[in-house]
Amino acid sequence: EAGVVQSPRYKIIEKKQPVAFWCNPISGHNTLYWYRQNLGQGPELLIRYENEEAVDDSQLPKDRFSAERLKGVDSTLKIQPAELGDSAVYLCASSAARGSKAFFGQGTRLTVV
Amino acid sequence: DQQVKQNSPSLSVQEGRISILNCDYTNSMFDYFLWYKKYPAEGPTFLISISSIKDKNEDGRFTVFLNKSAKHLSLHIVPSQPGDSAVYFCAASPIIYNAGNMLTFGGGTRLMVKP
Repeated sequence: EAGVVQSPRYKIIEKKQPVAFWCNPISGHNTLYWYRQNLGQGPELLIRYENEEAVDDSQLPKDRFSAERLKGVDSTLKIQPAELGDSAVYLCASSAARGSKAFFGQGTRLTVV
Repeated sequence: DQQVKQNSPSLSVQEGRISILNCDYTNSMFDYFLWYKKYPAEGPTFLISISSIKDKNEDGRFTVFLNKSAKHLSLHIVPSQPGDSAVYFCAASPIIYNAGNMLTFGGGTRLMVKP
C-alpha cells in the first residue's frame, strides 16, 4: 500500500515569491492534515480536512497561506508571498475516520532566502 | 503555552539497556496519546499509541505507560538497539468521534543508542 506522497521534497525560493506544496494521502483516508515543523520543534497543525471540508484552520496564517482539497483526495498548500520565517518542513498526513492514527509523508523542506 | 512537553531534548543509552522517554501534558481533554519516531529527512512514523482507558500498552520492545492523574506518559524501549537512534515525538489528541485526530506534538527527544 502506498503511503502519503508529498512533492516537492525540497524547495528554495526568494522571499516574496509564491510556493505550492502537493499531497496525495493514503487511499480511503478521509482526514488530511498539513503540519509545519520548525527546526528543533515538533510538528504544529496548520489545517485539517474531513473530506473536502476544512474543519480546523485556526492555526493557518490566512493572510498568506491557503489550502484546498478538491474532491476530498489530493491537497495543495500555498504560500503567497513567502517570508523568511516560513522556512520549515511542511508535512502532510492522513488518517482513516474515527480517531485512528495519522500517517505522515516525507515532508517538503522549504527554504526562503 | 505548550500543551505537550518533552523536557529532555536528548538521551544517550548503551545498546541493550532500557531507554525511557518522558512526556507531560496539560490539557485534560486529551484522551489518545501516540509516539512517533523520526529519522533525518523522513516524516514521522507511528510507533505506538494508548487511549486514556488504559495505563499500559505493549508492542514488542516498546511499551507506553500512561498516568492520567499525573498527566504523564512514558515510552520504554527494551532492549535498546542502535537502529532506535532517532527523534521521538509524543503526541496527544482529544477523541473526536467520526473524525480524525487533532494531534498536538511535543518538541521531541533525540535518542542516541551507542553500540
